[in-house]
Amino acid sequence: DTEVTQTPKHLVMGMTNKKSLKCEQHMGHRAMYWYKQKAKKPPELMFVYSYEKLSINESVPSRFSPECPNSSLLNLHLHALQPEDSALYLCASSQDTSASYNEQFFGPGTRLTVL
Amino acid sequence: AQSVTQLDSQVPVFEEAPVELRCNYSSSVSVYLFWYVQYPNQGLQLLLKYLSGSTLVKGINGFEAEFNKSQTSFHLRKPSVHISDTAEYFCAVVRGSYIPTFGRGTSLIVHP
Repeated sequence: DTEVTQTPKHLVMGMTNKKSLKCEQHMGHRAMYWYKQKAKKPPELMFVYSYEKLSINESVPSRFSPECPNSSLLNLHLHALQPEDSALYLCASSQDTSASYNEQFFGPGTRLTVL
Repeated sequence: AQSVTQLDSQVPVFEEAPVELRCNYSSSVSVYLFWYVQYPNQGLQLLLKYLSGSTLVKGINGFEAEFNKSQTSFHLRKPSVHISDTAEYFCAVVRGSYIPTFGRGTSLIVHP
């Protein structure tokens, strides 16, 4: 199984809502990532988890709260978002963070719209 | 700091024609190079990667890329494109850390 799955596929939320994005992989990978991607732009790194511990937070606003309950799951909790947070949110995983050549496997993304 | 330049934001081409998508990187030390493809409304998928060894790398879907150290380039090529190759293509460089630096992307548009 070389797949990263993400749910939901689409999400529309108001600025006062609380919602969560979910990501799952069963490749035994120990590194997981959240990216934000605007239309026609490259992905921008948000968070990195290594062995279930947060290792990188790219100065992301606190209205985004990541969580890694176990080595297969990664969540992104959303609260009080702004319309400019509307984007495609991509989850990725890699074997670990010890080697530069480890490729990242991406999920299909969650298309988020904030009204 | 490393950077990746994808010179063309958009490349239109007719079906069955050859195509080259250009990627240049800036680094004075060894790097690992990747090409990812993103089809509409999907995530990124690895096309190919250069880690070491032969400078000509073959990937999925008939794509190949050539690593040129002297020109710091890693251009992506396909001898004959299909409509289904219409997508966004991202070149990425990894040096030192495990975090890739992505180029801005090139939109390949294949016309019938």
